[in-house]
Amino acid sequence: ETGVTQTPRHLVMGMTNKKSLKCEQHLGHNAMYWYKQSAKKPLELMFVYSLEERVENNSVPSRFSPECPNSSHLFLHLHTLQPEDSALYLCASSQDGRYGDEQFFGPGTRLTVL
Amino acid sequence: GENVEQHPSTLSVQEGDSAVIKCTYSDSASNYFPWYKQELGKRPQLIIDIRSNVGEKKDQRIAVTLNKTAKHFSLHITETQPEDSAVYFCAAGGGAQKLVFGQGTRLTINP
Repeated sequence: ETGVTQTPRHLVMGMTNKKSLKCEQHLGHNAMYWYKQSAKKPLELMFVYSLEERVENNSVPSRFSPECPNSSHLFLHLHTLQPEDSALYLCASSQDGRYGDEQFFGPGTRLTVL
Repeated sequence: GENVEQHPSTLSVQEGDSAVIKCTYSDSASNYFPWYKQELGKRPQLIIDIRSNVGEKKDQRIAVTLNKTAKHFSLHITETQPEDSAVYFCAAGGGAQKLVFGQGTRLTINP
């Protein structure tokens, strides 16, 4: 598997469920990102990790909890979500945490909260 | 913080014609301006980027221009083809400034 992969590709969950999204990058990059993409809205940066350290938390509600155990893996833990959290969640990676680097995106996880 | 406005939100052009998408940004500290293309059901992919030390960059049928004084940059696609149909996103940031994306432009190429 090359590039940036995400699992699952689709997820339907109730508001009381707990689930996790997984992202893996095979590019040897040091920085990883979570974005939220809603219909008719710009890509919203959620979290940034550089060398496994969180360097950005873009005012994201605590029901979203990121985890970066190493520079190749990134998780987004979800609990007690709201229907308005339904969106495409994209993971990305870049060579380092400088925002002037090309970001490589994964295919996304389409999340539906019932 | 940075604010990026992108226009138009939708654009329809005849195959072979040119398409232009414009973005404005607010933070003069931004120095990196990438453009991403997202085809239906696929991931965003970088198609071209420009840094603040140049005013124009070209790659085959795609070009980007940057006006730092006016704080705007544009994507130009010439001789459009059906495979150019997609959503295009601009972004501004760079250095310590996080990337902020525009709202996206849905480009449709009519045969």
